Amino acid sequence: ILNVEQSPQSLHVQEGDSTNFTCSFPSSNFYALHWYRWETAKSPKALFVMTLNGDEKKKGRISATLNTKEGYSYLYIKGSQPEDSATYLCASRNSGNTPLVFGKGTRLSVIA
Amino acid sequence: NAGVTQTPKFQVLKTGQSMTLQCAQDMNHEYMSWYRQDPGMGLRLIHYSVGAGITDQGEVPNGYNVSRSTTEDFPLRLLSAAPSQTSVYFCASSYGAGETDTQYFGPGTRLTVL
Repeated sequence: ILNVEQSPQSLHVQEGDSTNFTCSFPSSNFYALHWYRWETAKSPKALFVMTLNGDEKKKGRISATLNTKEGYSYLYIKGSQPEDSATYLCASRNSGNTPLVFGKGTRLSVIA
Repeated sequence: NAGVTQTPKFQVLKTGQSMTLQCAQDMNHEYMSWYRQDPGMGLRLIHYSVGAGITDQGEVPNGYNVSRSTTEDFPLRLLSAAPSQTSVYFCASSYGAGETDTQYFGPGTRLTVL
């Protein structure tokens, strides 16, 4: 089974701070890397999908990068706001028609 | 579109009882999956389906059955509920299982087994 790891498990930052966290996955047989945002009492929602080494994606203050050769992706949040508080999940699959495997998530709390 | 719907939202069972968690999607998605979420464990895949008539096991399939007789529906059956199956269950669907196929999640079912 594909092993996807995320760090840190949880993070507390002050409003206005920028922050980042990591998703690690096996670099061999890489196919795709997904990031999801999961707010408390809601269901996960897709943020980004990345497939190529060096991919960078951005949505507002949130961006992500991908390094498939070394097997990691970073998610960055610039100027964190309380509404950014959520669990951020990454998931990977190593070929088509195989399931997405999720990491355990990074729980971000932004303190006003 | 309603997206992915799950029923019930909450359920309490006694040990040994059976029940079916319902999942339906109206997006004509081929790929559907069931996850359970437990504290500190993230989302773990129970079963998945790449299309009607085809199902396969995920990471934690024991104690659960699925079937996929239509594209829209993917019910999850608990055969004989155990306290270890107390969890939040999420159903998800996507167009396929290709590179850019993101998953759409239902609202979840919170199950307690006493």
